[in-house]
Amino acid sequence: GAVVSQHPSRVICKSGTSVKIECRSLDFQATTMFWYRQFPKQSLMLMATSNEGSKATYEQGVEKDKFLINHASLTLSTLTVTSAHPEDSSFYICSAPRGQLNTEAFFGQGTRLTVV
Amino acid sequence: GENVEQHPSTLSVQEGDSAVIKCTYSDSASNYFPWYKQELGKRPQLIIDIRSNVGEKKDQRIAVTLNKTAKHFSLHITETQPEDSAVYFCAARGWGKLQFGAGTQVVVTP
Repeated sequence: GAVVSQHPSRVICKSGTSVKIECRSLDFQATTMFWYRQFPKQSLMLMATSNEGSKATYEQGVEKDKFLINHASLTLSTLTVTSAHPEDSSFYICSAPRGQLNTEAFFGQGTRLTVV
Repeated sequence: GENVEQHPSTLSVQEGDSAVIKCTYSDSASNYFPWYKQELGKRPQLIIDIRSNVGEKKDQRIAVTLNKTAKHFSLHITETQPEDSAVYFCAARGWGKLQFGAGTQVVVTP
């Protein structure tokens, strides 16, 4: 199946610093990628839709200035958590659609972010 | 937008028994309904999906049914095994993006 690679898998950072997470589609091109956030024992909450060559679309309640998304190529989207705080600690995971009518979602491995 | 509800939140079954998870959705325009299995700390893995033009789909021990009129769909796992223990998420595709249910923690006891 399609492969989506996310890096890093784990990161610990200090409050106030920024962290960049990369999401790559390894064997297919993705004009759209999705970024999710998942708290322990909870569901995946869509944060934003990353669109290649244009601005990302953010879900209601997600601060676009805090969660910067860049989709500069057909195989790479990045999420930067700026001025991180402990409450930003979470599991961040990306997905890229593929398959019939571009509906099947393939997920990256996820990034466990801990802000201390 | 789309709203997906999933029940139960936890499900304990004896090995060999069947497990059923149910989801409802709100957007009648949704046309794609995948199910994902997620083990602790890992990415969700697609286990089966169904499109709105099909009422039932089966893949070995896993089956999914869809009732478009009632706007609900279900996951059926037969002959459960300990390795089926995980969190299962249903999802519905509406407005171009997937909306996930809250998840069901399935525990299969030997």
